[in-house]
Amino acid sequence: QVQLQESGPGLVKPSETLSLTCTVSGASISGYYWSWIRQPPGKGLEWIAYIFSSGSTNYNPSLKSRLTISVDMSERQFSLKLSSVTAADTAVYYCARHQSGNVVYGMDVWGQGTTVTVSS
Amino acid sequence: DIQMTQSPASLSASVGDRVTITCRASQNINTYLNWYLQKPGQAPKLLIFGASSLQGGLPSRFSGSRSGTDFTLTISSLQPEDFATYYCQQSYITPFTFGPGTKVDIK
Repeated sequence: QVQLQESGPGLVKPSETLSLTCTVSGASISGYYWSWIRQPPGKGLEWIAYIFSSGSTNYNPSLKSRLTISVDMSERQFSLKLSSVTAADTAVYYCARHQSGNVVYGMDVWGQGTTVTVSS
Repeated sequence: DIQMTQSPASLSASVGDRVTITCRASQNINTYLNWYLQKPGQAPKLLIFGASSLQGGLPSRFSGSRSGTDFTLTISSLQPEDFATYYCQQSYITPFTFGPGTKVDIK
């Protein structure tokens, strides 16, 4: 079955860049939309951005100026880079797949999440 | 951005109870509304997509409906594994937005 696994540093210093990778196993990246979502401690969910397998992207305007997402089809990975981080970026970061090759049908496969803390 | 609200914020219920959670969108989102369940320490899990379509492999006690910009998630007979936080999410337009969640705990 399809599985997603986030990886990256658990601790990032303020003003630095947060970099995460999501590795897809059990299925191809091709033909699907892939999203990043985050959840601050004890709070709700915030959609960050999505990328299609072709490389087209859509970013949350609240983060767009600091955000870059990319896809590596050969490695079956997609990545997130968030620059100039502050304590407000401390959260569990999830990667997820939009089902049926369309963003409207919900996210049916999620990674387990990775906790990122911004602190000096 | 489309604002999503949920009510109640929390509820206490017993096994076997019928539970209803409401989600309201700040503007028309057609049927582009999804429901997720999240247990502590776990990723969200898709329950309902398109306002009323049950995700494959899930029990039929979960159902969803729409009336204008109001959406309802109903659990017909609450089971022990259903105690969790439930989120709605609109997929009509980006940025996709989630409701604040409804926590269902044991009475």
